[in-house]
Amino acid sequence: DAKTTQPPSMDCAEGRAANLPCNHSTISGNEYVYWYRQIHSQGPQYIIHGLKNNETNEMASLIITEDRKSSTLILPHATLRDTAVYYCIVRDLGNNDMRFGAGTRLTVKP
Amino acid sequence: DSGVTQTPKHLITATGQRVTLRCSPRSGDLSVYWYQQSLDQGLQFLIQYYNGEERAKGNILERFSAQQFPDLHSELNLSSLELGDSALYFCASSAGSNEKLFFGSGTQLSVL
Repeated sequence: DAKTTQPPSMDCAEGRAANLPCNHSTISGNEYVYWYRQIHSQGPQYIIHGLKNNETNEMASLIITEDRKSSTLILPHATLRDTAVYYCIVRDLGNNDMRFGAGTRLTVKP
Repeated sequence: DSGVTQTPKHLITATGQRVTLRCSPRSGDLSVYWYQQSLDQGLQFLIQYYNGEERAKGNILERFSAQQFPDLHSELNLSSLELGDSALYFCASSAGSNEKLFFGSGTQLSVL
């Protein structure tokens, strides 16, 4: 019952930008877009989140389209350690749960 | 290190048995979440507690139960274990019920 659609896998060359897309066409006005990643079998790690404005932190940038129906997570200079499954999640602040979909498996290649 | 502590890291048991998984949230975090991750199901949300009260319930089986204690640590109890319960169980915590989550390193449960 995930509200997002992501490609199952992507490759990226080391040192290049990784652009991970996410479709969330049914997003409502009070829902945020969150990104997490999971490296191998470690616990998922928070990356970034946003409502409608683009966001940037030390890990990544989040670009949300004006209609908010899709977004892109950008890792500006991917390294081998960025190889992971990336999850895009939409979450209403009124909801207490955080539900993960299948995510995108990003492989960064030398 | 996320600050969330889960014990034990590994647990091997037999079908029909009961186990308890423990989670200590980050200092000051009031909310605890439990997730199950198996190879064919991905990360499944089980249940969330906030300051001792259940706030949200996901795909948690009736054989499973959880609670959050006054010191804010949480336990997930799994009973009448089946082979299909073998999975990684993650605990996460957040400051409030709607804040970003910090995950522990998980408990690997193997039911033989």
